Amino acid sequence: IQLTQSPSSLSASIGDRVTITCRASQGVSSYLAWYQQKPGRAPKLLISAASTLYSGVPSRFRGSGSGTDFTLTISSLQPEDFAVYYCQQLNSYPYTFGQGTKLEIK
Amino acid sequence: QEQLVESGGGVVQPGGSLRLSCAASGYTFSDHGIHWVRQAPGKGLEWLTVIWYDGSKEDYADSVKGRFTISRDNSKNTVYLQMNSLRAEDTAVYHCARIFGGDGYKGGVLDIWGQGTTVTVSS
Repeated sequence: IQLTQSPSSLSASIGDRVTITCRASQGVSSYLAWYQQKPGRAPKLLISAASTLYSGVPSRFRGSGSGTDFTLTISSLQPEDFAVYYCQQLNSYPYTFGQGTKLEIK
Repeated sequence: QEQLVESGGGVVQPGGSLRLSCAASGYTFSDHGIHWVRQAPGKGLEWLTVIWYDGSKEDYADSVKGRFTISRDNSKNTVYLQMNSLRAEDTAVYHCARIFGGDGYKGGVLDIWGQGTTVTVSS
């Protein structure tokens, strides 16, 4: 299953609302997760099962979607949110990742 | 504190072998499957392999199938990744990650990640 994220990169300002999309080449039900990765660090889990916020993740992060189309929305960007975001499908092996979306400060 | 720590990375010549380890602590190791994910320099995440919580099943990405073997020793709280016939394109940071939830075949998430160990394949 291929996952295509868009955009590949995004420039935004503090306080902006941003949306990242992840499209699967075939249906993955709600078996989709979102991760955040900062340079030199391991990925961190943000969202599981397409829309469940992981413990400790700020409520400004929201996931939605099912089947083939998913979105990650950050409602009001904070300085610590500038990072690379990946989606991953856990519907069938291999558990593929999207190519990533780099979120940069404008 | 739940954590995973990888080790065993290094520089190896093309065609060589390396064994990575992933040591777990802070949770009941035998309750969870473990995955390996790698990241080549400047690239995205690539899922590689999984081993079930009890070691009964494994699965691999096509890019490493037949060359890499995952195993675990629940008495040592450790998962291993034996990498043979290494190629330049295997150069990457290798992370292990715990799967939480799901039934092994689908579902769950990678909730705990190690910081990674670097593998460089070069002559």
